[in-house]
Amino acid sequence: SQQGEEDPQALSIQEGENATMNCSYKTSINNLQWYRQNSGRGLVHLILIRSNEREKHSGRLRVTLDTSKKSSSLLITASRAADTASYFCATEETGANNLFFGTGTRLTVIP
Amino acid sequence: NAGVMQNPRHLVRRRGQEARLRCSPMKGHSHVYWYRQLPEEGLKFMVYLQKENIIDESGMPKERFSAEFPKEGPSILRIQQVVRGDSAAYFCASSPGTGAHEQYFGPGTRLTVT
Repeated sequence: SQQGEEDPQALSIQEGENATMNCSYKTSINNLQWYRQNSGRGLVHLILIRSNEREKHSGRLRVTLDTSKKSSSLLITASRAADTASYFCATEETGANNLFFGTGTRLTVIP
Repeated sequence: NAGVMQNPRHLVRRRGQEARLRCSPMKGHSHVYWYRQLPEEGLKFMVYLQKENIIDESGMPKERFSAEFPKEGPSILRIQQVVRGDSAAYFCASSPGTGAHEQYFGPGTRLTVT
């Protein structure tokens, strides 16, 4: 089974800066999703991008998908201290019933 | 509109005891997924169920673990004869169906085996 790899593992930035996280995967997918997890809590769905889409926006979030490189990026603009959390990418493989999660990027936004 | 509910939120069991974790999906959702998360790691798929059917249990350990989603009531993840290595956060997610649907996650049950 494939497991997404996220890069970097940890990221620390000042409030107001942009944060970029990358995700790579191995097989063909139906879609790729990004989730956020605050420490000790459940996951919150942020955004879903289908395999035939290249870019998607939602508020301060921008997601790109390059299926030829099997990679995706999540950009959070004008970061806030409240954005501090772990961010996971998850892929829905073609023919699979479940999501495969990456190892996560731990983002710290310093006020 | 209640979200996915899981209980208990925290569960402590001694080695050899049984653990029962419950998940009530969002209203209108008939698909339930269970994931396990070890400290500092991502979520690992365990099992996917629809009402009264196990669709995919490829991520479930072959022994001691079982799951069900009865016609009435919550989905149950059952771990028999727990061992220390079972200590983890167990998350349940639900979706309305297959095909490009995001999964809605519950708050998780944190199992500690002493």
